[in-house]
Amino acid sequence: RKEVEQDPGPFNVPEGATVAFNCTYSNSASQSFFWYRQDCRKEPKLLMSVYSSGNEDGRFTAQLNRASQYISLLIRDSKLSDSATYLCVVNVSPGNQGGKLIFGQGTELSVKP
Amino acid sequence: EAGVTQFPSHSVIEKGQTVTLRCDPISGHDNLYWYRRVMGKEIKFLLHFVKESKQDESGMPNNRFLAERTGGTYSTLKVQPAELEDSGVYFCASSHGLAGGSYEQYFGPGTRLTVT
Repeated sequence: RKEVEQDPGPFNVPEGATVAFNCTYSNSASQSFFWYRQDCRKEPKLLMSVYSSGNEDGRFTAQLNRASQYISLLIRDSKLSDSATYLCVVNVSPGNQGGKLIFGQGTELSVKP
Repeated sequence: EAGVTQFPSHSVIEKGQTVTLRCDPISGHDNLYWYRRVMGKEIKFLLHFVKESKQDESGMPNNRFLAERTGGTYSTLKVQPAELEDSGVYFCASSHGLAGGSYEQYFGPGTRLTVT
């Protein structure tokens, strides 16, 4: 079983749609959680950190459920520019030392006009 | 503020040769990380420096890989001798230390290594 598992995708949605990505992680001692986006042949770019209380940044909302070891990302009113691969990422280093990130395989999103 | 930079952007070498990749982290970031993505697989952790010390090198595949960070600034990752399975994209990332607050990691553009 992979340490971080995501929906395989791809997701093909029209502009303006709402799309949700799901992710589960296996290490219950995981300390911190992130969503990154990666454009084709580019580096991963941090989209947002994910907090237990849930957090929102404009059209993006992230949720964390530690009991279920589940992370989600919701994109509202999707734009063409949201097309990318979305990576669920978990920090498994103890003591919040900002170390080892474990990546999911990514979910590809394609937003069509 | 300049981001993480990596050199070269691409490298094509023959099996058995040596390649050295370089990473310059964001200025002031004590933490530097190396990751690798091989084709069809997810990005995987290689190692983590705190300043010039190796904090965690649990992801290094074998002793053909040597990472250094002399003086706690830039880092190099040497592969010697290279094998076909070493092909992939090597990413470097950096983050503040705890004293700096943020542990969010920022990635460089990567070095695409092809071993033929």
